[in-house]
Amino acid sequence: EDKVVQSPLSLVVHEGDTVTLNCSYEVTNFRSLLWYKQEKKAPTFLFMLTSSGIEKKSGRLSSILDKKELSSILNITATQTGDSAIYLCAVSSNSGYALNFGKGTSLLVTP
Amino acid sequence: DGGITQSPKYLFRKEGQNVTLSCEQNLNHDAMYWYRQDPGQGLRLIYYSQIVNDFQKGDIAEGYSVSREKKESFPLTVTSAQKNPTAFYLCASSKTGPSNEKLFFGSGTQLSVL
Repeated sequence: EDKVVQSPLSLVVHEGDTVTLNCSYEVTNFRSLLWYKQEKKAPTFLFMLTSSGIEKKSGRLSSILDKKELSSILNITATQTGDSAIYLCAVSSNSGYALNFGKGTSLLVTP
Repeated sequence: DGGITQSPKYLFRKEGQNVTLSCEQNLNHDAMYWYRQDPGQGLRLIYYSQIVNDFQKGDIAEGYSVSREKKESFPLTVTSAQKNPTAFYLCASSKTGPSNEKLFFGSGTQLSVL
């Protein structure tokens, strides 16, 4: 059975801190790993990673995939209160039609 | 603007009642999905549809039904057989084919039991 595990499940940091969120997976015929941010209702897309070792960046957020270790990290530098959200990791496979999501990491950034 | 519209935002269900959640998209996407989100549980797949007039069960389909009569619409019915329906329901859509895994989400419907 495919599995996506995120850690930690929740995290509280102070504004300005750097955080690292983890996602590990066991998926048959892995195709890609995606990160989403869910602030209130609709998850919004952050990154899609298919190749190992290539970092994707968007402002203060970055992510990298390690296909050997079957994992990915999402880094947020100089955190702001607006970064408070649930961060969802999802994996797709060549033998499935829908994304398989982890439980999410709930991040709270305090002033 | 293209997007996915879910309605209503909030819904209350009485004991033994069937309720239907609406999902409409104007992104011209072939694939549509329904996920259920419970606190601390992430997103779990209920049903998905790759093409009009065809749909498949996801991991937690029991107590739910769907239809896909039009490309734009994928309504979800929560039946009285679903004993624990209180949750946040998210509809999503995507293109189909390789490298089209990216899902676009609606704003969700919060369903509660009276």
